Amino acid sequence: DIQMTQSPSSLSASVGDRITITCRASQTISNYLNWYQQKPGKAPELLIYVTSSLQGGVSSRFSGSGSGTDFTLTISSLQPEDSATYYCQQSFSIPYNFGQGTKLEIK
Amino acid sequence: EVHLVESGGGLVQPGGSLRLSCVASGFTFNRYWMGWVRQAPGKGLEWVANIKDGSEKYYVDSVKARFTISRDNAKNSVFLQMNSLRAEDTAVYYCTRVGDEYCSGGVCSSSYYYYMDVWGKGTPVTVSS
Repeated sequence: DIQMTQSPSSLSASVGDRITITCRASQTISNYLNWYQQKPGKAPELLIYVTSSLQGGVSSRFSGSGSGTDFTLTISSLQPEDSATYYCQQSFSIPYNFGQGTKLEIK
Repeated sequence: EVHLVESGGGLVQPGGSLRLSCVASGFTFNRYWMGWVRQAPGKGLEWVANIKDGSEKYYVDSVKARFTISRDNAKNSVFLQMNSLRAEDTAVYYCTRVGDEYCSGGVCSSSYYYYMDVWGKGTPVTVSS
């Protein structure tokens, strides 16, 4: 199975900041990498698929990059509504494992 | 508007069974893979199973031989039959649509890139005596 490791596990940043979350796969997954946002008590929502494709309706402040084993989610100009937990997920091979999540707090 | 609505969760004793249902609306159901993802209390997301049709079904190892995913395209529904339930199966279970469209160079088509692009609100399952 491919293991996904996110870092950091949590971070705190201010409105207007630019932040980056990293996701590392235990083996190469090409560009089969998705990102999700989950707010407390809510279902997750797809943000980015195939490493860098922005899901419809998602703010252009979100962007993704990477390939192989190392990937990043960047949020530019943080807004209060970005407070959430973010998960990466690989869809290269079954089981489609998620990372453990990164909890983002807006100061 | 695209919707997924789960039902069937509840409290069950260890070793018991539950059948989760998910009704879809707002899209051509039989065109898509469908799946289930779960989240234990205070924990992260865990992919559980996906189904394309009767012949293509995939499961995480921890539920193989205990859970069965199925679908009824005539009723726009997907199901998760859960048998021999354990305490560690306690979680909120989310029904998901699995997207596979990928656009490159302005051309969009079905691909082998899979992503969960629509989620239900979830149904809670508690396994406890």
